[in-house]
Amino acid sequence: DGGITQSPKYLFRKEGQNVTLSCEQNLNHDAMYWYRQDPGQGLRLIYYSQIVNDFQKGDIAEGYSVSREKKESFPLTVTSAQKNPTAFYLCASRPSGGTGELFFGEGSRLTVL
Amino acid sequence: QQQVKQSPQSLIVQKGGISIINCAYENTAFDYFPWYQQFPGKGPALLIAIRPDVSEKKEGRFTISFNKSAKQFSLHIMDSQPGDSATYFCAASIGPGTASKLTFGTGTRLQVTL
Repeated sequence: DGGITQSPKYLFRKEGQNVTLSCEQNLNHDAMYWYRQDPGQGLRLIYYSQIVNDFQKGDIAEGYSVSREKKESFPLTVTSAQKNPTAFYLCASRPSGGTGELFFGEGSRLTVL
Repeated sequence: QQQVKQSPQSLIVQKGGISIINCAYENTAFDYFPWYQQFPGKGPALLIAIRPDVSEKKEGRFTISFNKSAKQFSLHIMDSQPGDSATYFCAASIGPGTASKLTFGTGTRLQVTL
């Protein structure tokens, strides 16, 4: 079945450690996005990529990094520079020329101890 | 600076009632307004979307009302059901293309009681 797969679903890390969240899609979508969700703050855009080997910062990119080496994959690294990394992270994709619909994965919940 | 303000933060509605969630935006360049529904532990999914050339769009029990002059849009859920209990997010962007960035509201947690 086509969709977006995020892993791991739950992740615990010690403060000061970098962690990488995986996002894979088999929808053949060109654009991919990373959002952070915190209670009462909605979804905030971290990074997005419209094509392979290109990506742009979103509204809250500080402390995060991404890569887009393959169309299907858009991993997010939460670095030790991110001051408050505990959150629910959502990956999404969107086709070119579509209706504008974002297709989301089921999310990864990161807890930094 | 929050560009899309959503209210209420939470809402309790009896089964069969009407749920109403409101959003207001600031950027007059926004021209694509979707609503997303999210169940606990899941990613959001598109519910319904509207462009500013129409004032209302209906899909089943879900209706978006759009007021361009007031820069407001709202989601109405008619005959609300317990299965509608979820968090709802409004959003806005300049066009629906891949280069556009969706700005989301803060979400409304809806609970439909029996």
